[in-house]
Amino acid sequence: NAGVTQTPKFQVLKTGQSMTLQCAQDMNHNSMYWYRQDPGMGLRLIYYSASEGTTDKGEVPNGYNVSRLNKREFSLRLESAAPSQTSVYFCASHRTQSSYNEQFFGPGTRLTVL
Amino acid sequence: RKEVEQDPGPFNVPEGATVAFNCTYSNSASQSFFWYRQDCRKEPKLLMSVYSSGNEDGRFTAQLNRASQYISLLIRDSKLSDSATYLCVALASGSARQLTFGSGTQLTVLP
Repeated sequence: NAGVTQTPKFQVLKTGQSMTLQCAQDMNHNSMYWYRQDPGMGLRLIYYSASEGTTDKGEVPNGYNVSRLNKREFSLRLESAAPSQTSVYFCASHRTQSSYNEQFFGPGTRLTVL
Repeated sequence: RKEVEQDPGPFNVPEGATVAFNCTYSNSASQSFFWYRQDCRKEPKLLMSVYSSGNEDGRFTAQLNRASQYISLLIRDSKLSDSATYLCVALASGSARQLTFGSGTQLTVLP
């Protein structure tokens, strides 16, 4: 199993450009998440999808959109990138089994907006 | 006030030392708690869940005090490989399984 995969690993954008971050998981998990991580801020939730066909805003959704394409894939789109969106982006999926919970993270996308 | 607060450190300890990290949370409805480990420029990975009765996994011991809304992680006999950032995490109740992360505590174990 590959777990959670993300593409691209690195990206540099100019202000105003758009791009889509791709995420896929092969663990058959219902819930998927997008986070951003900035120095000293910890991980902050951008959007999540509790199940296929549903998406909801997290703590910092402004400037982003998401698509839950199917159970495996959850993409994050920046329509008009801004320097404040320079960050490391992590995708995750969540395993729940009885009382056991664990989120599995992808390797991250390091985005710089100039 | 952040929902999950941690001392950012850094903690610099010699190999073999015992080190403890503390964390407080403000949402009394939080259902479950975890410690995640994050190596430099890598993704977070689950270190251990935290149970009310306290739990141990080898050199690592986690404690939860719901009355004080306090979580701890104790690392005994520190190894160089324990150097990482340790994230305190709370799981909200509900079907969405949302996690709230602390900012992390940085640990460096010195030879």
